[in-house]
Amino acid sequence: AQKITQTQPGMFVQEKEAVTLDCTYDTSDQSYGLFWYKQPSSGEMIFLIYQGSYDEQNATEGRYSLNFQKARKSANLVISASQLGDSAMYFCATKGRLPSYGKLTFGQGTILTVHP
Amino acid sequence: DVKVTQSSRYLVKRTGEKVFLECVQDMDHENMFWYRQDPGLGLRLIYFSYDVKMKEKGDIPEGYSVSREKKERFSLILESASTNQTSMYLCASSSVGHPSGNTIYFGEGSWLTVV
Repeated sequence: AQKITQTQPGMFVQEKEAVTLDCTYDTSDQSYGLFWYKQPSSGEMIFLIYQGSYDEQNATEGRYSLNFQKARKSANLVISASQLGDSAMYFCATKGRLPSYGKLTFGQGTILTVHP
Repeated sequence: DVKVTQSSRYLVKRTGEKVFLECVQDMDHENMFWYRQDPGLGLRLIYFSYDVKMKEKGDIPEGYSVSREKKERFSLILESASTNQTSMYLCASSSVGHPSGNTIYFGEGSWLTVV
């Protein structure tokens, strides 16, 4: 079984500053994947970044990077140079090894508000 | 462009009504999922299907059933809607493929209010 914990219900950041959204996970699988999704107020789920458990380097996608610390079971999302459009709900999720059928286990989410 | 389409964005139903939420994907994906999203609880898996006519319970299946008669369509059914099923429902689909990377695509969500 997998579990994701996001301990920050809400975060505030000034435009152009960096922000870190916390995520810790618990899994019994040896091989797993970690995901971050963004959900604007419209409701759609937008994939941001993926990290495999055996990837040695932290994943990066543009302004998004994933700070993966396997021993601490954490997978924090770092957003650099925040923009007003980054205001949204952010979810951390994990997927176990096959045959997981692609099932994701999600955390509670963090609402990020970017101030001008 | 990949697409997961949920038939209704907003629904208001009465307690005791039978409710159908429809989801269609055009990517020939084997797997389809129904999640429920509530504040403070994140997304929780209700049911998923890995093939036509095949289904498995997720974490919160009580009060729900599903139907997958065709590969592209996955329906969530509330047999007798109750007020505690007021929520946002998200459909998703994925291919079997390689287990790494993003292979999961979501619909835009259906906001259901039961009065």
